[in-house]
Order: sequence, then structure tokens, then C-alpha cells
Amino acid sequence: NAGVTQTPKFRVLKTGQSMTLLCAQDMNHEYMYWYRQDPGMGLRLIHYSVGEGTTAKGEVPDGYNVSRLKKQNFLLGLESAAPSQTSVYFCASSRRGGGSPLHFGNGTRLTVT
Amino acid sequence: AQKITQTQPGMFVQEKEAVTLDCTYDTSDPSYGLFWYKQPSSGEMIFLIYQGSYDQQNATEGRYSLNFQKARKSANLVISASQLGDSAMYFCAMREGRTGFQKLVFGTGTRLLVSP
Repeated sequence: NAGVTQTPKFRVLKTGQSMTLLCAQDMNHEYMYWYRQDPGMGLRLIHYSVGEGTTAKGEVPDGYNVSRLKKQNFLLGLESAAPSQTSVYFCASSRRGGGSPLHFGNGTRLTVT
Repeated sequence: AQKITQTQPGMFVQEKEAVTLDCTYDTSDPSYGLFWYKQPSSGEMIFLIYQGSYDQQNATEGRYSLNFQKARKSANLVISASQLGDSAMYFCAMREGRTGFQKLVFGTGTRLLVSP
């Protein structure tokens, strides 16, 4: 059981380039999330999805787009990368239920130069 | 205003001793949930324990317990009998409202170092 898988693990982009981060979960979870982690700031929610075909903005959505065409996948896109988007990105999923914890992927370290 | 506050940037504890990591929260919603996660140096996020706002008893999971004081809006994590493998960052997080999904707000974390 792989859980939540993120690809790639590391990426370096130049300012203005685009890329897509892939997240896949095999737990049949309804909900999926993208967070970013910056030093001294904890994790902040970028976008989330409450089901296939649905997405919603989180706390820091600017500069990112997402899609959830299949229940098991949640894609995070950067159309024109900026140095401020240098961060560690975590995908997570959860099932229904108030106490259901987030299951996280191992993270993607992105550097924008 | 900060919704989750972790005031201890770093904590030190000796092996086999207990340690308390502080977390205070701010919400006006009567329904909420509180989570603690561990992040070792390898980077993954590991769920430790959950407390719902309506839960009558403090949550416990093995060596982890949550000291939930609702009136003081605090949800401190207690680790008993610390082990070297407990050295990590610890994050407190909160979900507001009675939703089935977890839009969590995280604190800035506490780095715990366990010495032999």
C-alpha cells in the first residue's frame, strides 16, 4: 500500500517556467490537499478538493492552479514560477469524518532561481 | 490573528523523561478538531493524535496524550518516556467547523531534541 505518492521529489526551475506536481493516493480518500511549507511558517493550505472534479482555494492560492480529474489524483500547477514559490510542497488526502487525519506524501522540494 | 500558537521554538528533554509541547488555539466556532503531527529530519509528516472539541476525555495514543483544556484554549502534547527517535519537529493544527474534510491551520512548530 503506497499511500500518498508525490512526483517529483526535487525540482529546480528558472523564473517564468511552468511545471506540474503530481499527487496520487491509493486509499480511495474523498478529499485531497496541497500545502506548502516554508521555514518558520508551518504548513499553509494552497488548494484542496472535496471530490473528483471539484477544487477550492485555500489560504495561499495565488500563482497556483489545480485539477482533480480522477479521484486518486490531484495535480498542482505553476504557470509562471517565481522565486517566492521556492518551498517544500506536500500533498495530503483524507477520508470523510471529523477526526480523520491527513495522510501526507513525502514532499517535493522546489527551488525557483 | 494567529489561530494556532506554538510558543516554544525548541525544547530539550533527556531520554526516558516526559515532555510537554504547548499549543494554544483561537476560534469562535464551538465545533473544531485539534491534531498533532511529527516531522522527523527525513521530512515526512506523521499523524500522532486527534482531539475533538466535544470529546469528553483527553485523547491518548500510546506514549502520546493530549492535555485538552477547553476553557484555556490549549491542547498541549505530552510525550511520556521520551526516546531518541522522538527528536523531530512537532506541529499542532486545527480544523474549524463540522466539515468532513480537514482544512487544517498549522502552528509554526516546536523542535524537540531528546538527549541520551
